[in-house]
Amino acid sequence: EFVLTQSPGTLSLSPGERATLSCRASQSVRYNYLAWYQQKPGQPPRLLIYGASIRPTGIPDRFSGSGSGTDFILTITRLEPEDFAVYYCHHYDGSPRTFGQGTKVEIK
Amino acid sequence: QVQLVQSGAEVKKPGASVKVSCKASGYTIINYDFNWVRQATGQGLEWMGWMNPDSKNAGFAQKFQGRVSMSMNTSTSTAYMELHSLRSEDTAVYYCTRAVRFQLLSDSWGQGTLVTVSS
Repeated sequence: EFVLTQSPGTLSLSPGERATLSCRASQSVRYNYLAWYQQKPGQPPRLLIYGASIRPTGIPDRFSGSGSGTDFILTITRLEPEDFAVYYCHHYDGSPRTFGQGTKVEIK
Repeated sequence: QVQLVQSGAEVKKPGASVKVSCKASGYTIINYDFNWVRQATGQGLEWMGWMNPDSKNAGFAQKFQGRVSMSMNTSTSTAYMELHSLRSEDTAVYYCTRAVRFQLLSDSWGQGTLVTVSS
């Protein structure tokens, strides 16, 4: 079974700081089919990154994704107040499609 | 703009079935698939399956095989997910998403439908 493990579970940071979120896959991710979503309370997830490093139209450039194989990183260069949320990585290949357990970015 | 509008909250008894609808607009429906994803309160995201609205082909996570069905009314651009033999562990918010064909990347999400299973 394909497993995505995110770390840390919670990241306590201040606005303006840099956030680095990790997602490790139990097997190599084909075609870099790795996405990142942001979810705020009471809202559906929002797609931030797909193809490991591609930002959809409208996503601010302070969000960036990197990695390949089994190790992936989401970086938020300067945290804005609206960035405090839960972030999920997602492998959209194979069955079942899988999500990581999430990293909560909270205000320190 | 792309919009996915889901039906309202449901309360069901154990053993019953629930059918959630998802009305799509703002894009050509048959060019994308639908995913269904659920999220128990305070928990992570769980992919349930997908459906092609043109061919009506569908695939389900093994966990839900035999208990879930997905359908589509292309005349009203509405997708449906029905979950049978409900148990308390099925209490969750259910999301439909627009999914890029073949990759099944969810790029737009409905607002979610809370399904509560309680006796």
